[in-house]
Amino acid sequence: AQRVTQPEKLLSVFKGAPVELKCNYSYSGSPELFWYVQYSRQRLQLLLRHISRESIKGFTADLNKGETSFHLKKPFAQEEDSAMYYCALSLFGNQFYFGTGTSLTVIP
Amino acid sequence: DTGVSQDPRHKITKRGQNVTFRCDPISEHNRLYWYRQTLGQGPEFLTYFQNEAQLEKSRLLSDRFSAERPKGSFSTLEIQRTEQGDSAMYLCASSLETRNTEAFFGQGTRLTVV
Repeated sequence: AQRVTQPEKLLSVFKGAPVELKCNYSYSGSPELFWYVQYSRQRLQLLLRHISRESIKGFTADLNKGETSFHLKKPFAQEEDSAMYYCALSLFGNQFYFGTGTSLTVIP
Repeated sequence: DTGVSQDPRHKITKRGQNVTFRCDPISEHNRLYWYRQTLGQGPEFLTYFQNEAQLEKSRLLSDRFSAERPKGSFSTLEIQRTEQGDSAMYLCASSLETRNTEAFFGQGTRLTVV
């Protein structure tokens, strides 16, 4: 069963525009949700996790249990934000389920 | 310790040959994960270890695949009788044994089966 869905494979926004990368999940328990990012030629790395409720590089993500969503948002996109973004759900740290990813391109 | 390291970075093999990949996790991490990533997909879970014990295996891990972590440190992933469908990026990650823990990924081993 697909646990994490990222409906957009590609997303392009202009520099300075708001950006939202969508993530929906299916899990009935208390999920642990993460956003991972992969910049060109770099390894996959953690961007943020829902439990910390912090803003990283201007990005925030709010867990909405009613809508089972964990969308990633940034009010003003920067060129350096261009990357592949993966939403992931963890089951007690035993494994991570990843979405198919959204490739974000910020147009100068 | 500069993070999770994987070796080799690239491997080209002929169909039917066996291949083995190595992963060295971050030293204090007791959890180690193997993932496979194909083009256009996110990483797919294969298996994970807690110390030397292999606690979970995905149904993606066929009988041709075997993973070990003999001393709870480095791990190896072996694929026997490789098939073209095994061509993928194989990712290793490690983490601490806590809730909401971050998994640190290696740069992966890209396998091409010809």
